[in-house]
Amino acid sequence: AQSVTQPDIHITVSEGASLELRCNYSYGATPYLFWYVQSPGQGLQLLLKYFSGDTLVQGIKGFEAEFKRSQSSFNLRKPSVHWSDAAEYFCAVGGENAGNNRKLIWGLGTSLAVNP
Amino acid sequence: DGGITQSPKYLFRKEGQNVTLSCEQNLNHDAMYWYRQDPGQGLRLIYYSQIVNDFQKGDIAEGYSVSREKKESFPLTVTSAQKNPTAFYLCASSRDTGNTIYFGEGSWLTVV
Repeated sequence: AQSVTQPDIHITVSEGASLELRCNYSYGATPYLFWYVQSPGQGLQLLLKYFSGDTLVQGIKGFEAEFKRSQSSFNLRKPSVHWSDAAEYFCAVGGENAGNNRKLIWGLGTSLAVNP
Repeated sequence: DGGITQSPKYLFRKEGQNVTLSCEQNLNHDAMYWYRQDPGQGLRLIYYSQIVNDFQKGDIAEGYSVSREKKESFPLTVTSAQKNPTAFYLCASSRDTGNTIYFGEGSWLTVV
């Protein structure tokens, strides 16, 4: 079955510390992968996406993610977290065969808290 | 600025009443979507539209209806048939259904 798992429901880090948010997927075809961020009560903002090519993807706000096909993972990283990064983070996967966003599968999200 | 505008941001309605949430985009996107978000459940697709005058059911369409009479607009009606309408509703759009989707700011619906 197709699925996206974000194993960490909630993470707390100190400001300035590094961050890694995990995303594992199960998908039968070549995946398209996305990370979105959501501030409380707001819509989702695209951080980065992977369709093909270089498996290390750079996004906005200093985030990056690495696609590892052998591990079915697309983990999000940031070397130094800022207090403004506190938010909910969602991983999503779609497929080239679907080529269609109705097939996007969403993780349940990871809530990030940042200590001063 | 280009973007997706949802209104109202907050809406309260009595049980049994239909309500309509507005979604307008000026991105010239062909595809539009409605998602529902509940705590701890991620996003669930209600309806989507690939082009004007066409729309398809998503995963949880029961109790909802939509229209797509204009490219810019994709209103969602939450009908009295929807058993648990209280939720956060997100509208989104993409250039076409194979491209990255972009979201509006969301609408909170509370039914009492």
